[in-house]
Amino acid sequence: RKEVEQDPGPFNVPEGATVAFNCTYSNSASQSFFWYRQDCRKEPKLLMSVYSSGNEDGRFTAQLNRASQYISLLIRDSKLSDSATYLCVVNPNFGNEKLTFGTGTRLTIIP
Amino acid sequence: DVKVTQSSRYLVKRTGEKVFLECVQDMDHENMFWYRQDPGLGLRLIYFSYDVKMKEKGDIPEGYSVSREKKERFSLILESASTNQTSMYLCASLGGLRTDTQYFGPGTRLTVL
Repeated sequence: RKEVEQDPGPFNVPEGATVAFNCTYSNSASQSFFWYRQDCRKEPKLLMSVYSSGNEDGRFTAQLNRASQYISLLIRDSKLSDSATYLCVVNPNFGNEKLTFGTGTRLTIIP
Repeated sequence: DVKVTQSSRYLVKRTGEKVFLECVQDMDHENMFWYRQDPGLGLRLIYFSYDVKMKEKGDIPEGYSVSREKKERFSLILESASTNQTSMYLCASLGGLRTDTQYFGPGTRLTVL
């Protein structure tokens, strides 16, 4: 089983719709969770950190479910500029800054 | 704003050549990382360094070495490039004990012929 698993997509979603991605992780002791965004031919950039029960930033909401070992990302009122690959990232070890990346979920917002 | 730069955006080398990829960060970060990114495999950690002259192997160190002589600079070395090392190489830096964010450079797309 992969340490971090994501549905690769692609998700093709009309502009204005709500879209949600899930990501599962295998190490129950994992401490920190993140969503990164990667545009085509660009480097990954942090979108959101996910702590305890989750957090919200504008149209983006991230949720953590420790019991089921998954995190989710919800995007409301999607914009064309949301088209990107979304990487689920887990820090499996407290105090160790190594990160484990999922392979990413590709999202395309359709006009 | 943190800036991470990489020496080349695109590089083409021949099998057997020695290849140097350089990464520089301007935020005095202790931790630096080298990844490669391949379709369907995501980002995989090659090596990382948590201080000058300190290095640790990541998940796929075979065929690579690294050098960290100065805090701001972390170099990835391919001693004898092979075609299966054709990939996108991404450098990242991270600072502070509990800082969460890894800042990435723009990447180097390396093609080995």
